[in-house]
Amino acid sequence: QSVLTQPPSVSAAPGQKATISCSGSSSNIGNNYVSWYQQLPGTAPKLLIYDNNQRPSGIPDRFSASKSGTSATLGITGLQTGDEAEYYCGTWDSSLSAGVFGGGTKLTVL
Amino acid sequence: VHLVQSGAEVKKPGESLKISCKASGYSFSAYWIGWVRQKPGKGLEWMGIIYPGDSDTRYSPSFQGQVTISADKSSSTAYLQWSSLKASDTAMYYCARQEYGSGSSADYYFFYVDVWGKGTTVTVSS
Repeated sequence: QSVLTQPPSVSAAPGQKATISCSGSSSNIGNNYVSWYQQLPGTAPKLLIYDNNQRPSGIPDRFSASKSGTSATLGITGLQTGDEAEYYCGTWDSSLSAGVFGGGTKLTVL
Repeated sequence: VHLVQSGAEVKKPGESLKISCKASGYSFSAYWIGWVRQKPGKGLEWMGIIYPGDSDTRYSPSFQGQVTISADKSSSTAYLQWSSLKASDTAMYYCARQEYGSGSSADYYFFYVDVWGKGTTVTVSS
């Protein structure tokens, strides 16, 4: 099992909003910064969000994220079919002294 | 910024292997770089990182002793090495430049992968 818990799947209609949760503990999300990644089928992951809520250049503002306590949330507005992908959260775990990822959430836009 | 990984490998159990990742477009010595494993149909697993500037290396407890991460500053290349492969090592391995650090009192850590290679498929089968 992953240290960070994500729902296996999320679905929403085109144009609507999807939210993906990531739950951890005080040794990881609770005290460290969270990042989010998008992995389109057959490709390498891509950074969407870093330092809890910062978007790298080139990432549209349809993607946003927040953190509260030991949980984090990724939001995607104006859903497009091209957003169908696997989404992962990541952070540092101070107890493990290691980077950790969530198990991934498959987003379906239907 | 680019990370170019070596090609797919097919190996037998017990064999050794070293895969590579050549970085370009940035100061190789100034960023952490490491590896992320993804088994077929599964999620991402952080393996470890190295800081080429001083060779400081960190491993996930899950991978400590199982693999060796190294870097060559002269060629801006990072490596992932196995001394004895197992069938369970079959996976895609991504080279990943990582931002990593802590607050002044190590009271918080920041960590993220900002650049990914395209991946190297490793298949271990008898």
